[in-house]
Amino acid sequence: AQKITQTQPGMFVQEKEAVTLDCTYDTSDQSYGLFWYKQPSSGEMIFLIYQGSYDEQNATEGRYSLNFQKARKSANLVISASQLGDSAMYFCAMRDWETSGSRLTFGEGTQLTVNP
Amino acid sequence: DTGVSQNPRHKITKRGQNVTFRCDPISEHNRLYWYRQTLGQGPEFLTYFQNEAQLEKSRLLSDRFSAERPKGSFSTLEIQRTEQGDSAMYLCASSSTDRSNQPQHFGDGTRLSIL
Repeated sequence: AQKITQTQPGMFVQEKEAVTLDCTYDTSDQSYGLFWYKQPSSGEMIFLIYQGSYDEQNATEGRYSLNFQKARKSANLVISASQLGDSAMYFCAMRDWETSGSRLTFGEGTQLTVNP
Repeated sequence: DTGVSQNPRHKITKRGQNVTFRCDPISEHNRLYWYRQTLGQGPEFLTYFQNEAQLEKSRLLSDRFSAERPKGSFSTLEIQRTEQGDSAMYLCASSSTDRSNQPQHFGDGTRLSIL
């Protein structure tokens, strides 16, 4: 069964520094997609970045980049130059069509706190 | 470009009552998803519509739960005879296609509290 593991319940980072949030996944599908979402305390889930299993390059979106290591089944999110507004819950999610169709499977999340 | 809209934002009800939530997806999106999120956990998939057709249902969706999308636009999620364990955030998401790289865009959720 597919599974997303986020081993860091909480992370702290100083403003303007970079931080890496870990995500490992488990699937037997060859084709799958990995997503990162941000959930502030207000509750909305905000899409940040996507990585496809066949993508050769690591995804980047502004200050967000994804360190994708397919052989290790890891898809870590890197946030550069952290800002106070980055404080939120971050979820890694996977979509693997053969096993689970259109649904996203989420990890348990990492609570990031950015200190001034 | 309006996002996914969910109503109400909060719902407090007594155990045993029925509740109904509404989701209005992004207008051009024909795929609509419902998830449930309990405190400290990631969202869990409940069900999925493509236009008006309900294509997937999770085993989490007991027979007390029913979801509809009658005209392929907005959707409703009804919970009958609510139980304490139904207390959660109910999230709706939509997407335009089923292509692999298309993210699901989420609403702000409806927080349900069962007294």
